[in-house]
Amino acid sequence: AQKITQTQPGMFVQEKEAVTLDCTYDTSDQSYGLFWYKQPSSGEMIFLIYQGSYDEQNATEGRYSLNFQKARKSANLVISASQLGDSAMYFCAMREGFNNNDMRFGAGTRLTVKP
Amino acid sequence: EPEVTQTPSHQVTQMGQEVILRCVPISNHLYFYWYRQILGQKVEFLVSFYNNEISEKSEIFDDQFSVERPDGSNFTLKIRSTKLEDSAMYFCASSLEFTEQFFGPGTRLTVL
Repeated sequence: AQKITQTQPGMFVQEKEAVTLDCTYDTSDQSYGLFWYKQPSSGEMIFLIYQGSYDEQNATEGRYSLNFQKARKSANLVISASQLGDSAMYFCAMREGFNNNDMRFGAGTRLTVKP
Repeated sequence: EPEVTQTPSHQVTQMGQEVILRCVPISNHLYFYWYRQILGQKVEFLVSFYNNEISEKSEIFDDQFSVERPDGSNFTLKIRSTKLEDSAMYFCASSLEFTEQFFGPGTRLTVL
């Protein structure tokens, strides 16, 4: 069974608008971490944002915020004021358990920002 | 800003040959990882390494693969007897604790 599901293979957004990239996860662990990474066409993996399962506040990092809804097991990434440079693949990932470093990735969403 | 580095950026090898992919993690990090990404697919976990031993490995990480930290800075992935399906981008990552992992730029392995 898929641990991380990203249902949007591709998304388009107009420059300067906000966009939400969906991510749902499946775990029976109480302790887990959720991550978002950006992969531009150059191929590198860029860490964006982290949310711990016990964190009560939604994580924010600049223009990135994570809409964490624990009961629904969703961890959507919100990018505000989109820029052309935001065009990339975006991967949601999860690490389960307290001492587990095994990070599992979703299939990714390709975001295209239109001028 | 410290970063993870990987060499080479691209490796071409013949099927059946052995390859060693090299990584220099961020210097104060304690946990090291290898991931692979077959072209157009998602990133897959291979192995994690802590305190000079493997801490976790996936089902992909079979006897064909091995990892080593030969000195205080390098972290290597060895693939013995490469197969066509080993062609992928291999990412090294490191982390200080159990939070964010920082990825290197990747090594593209092409097996002919």
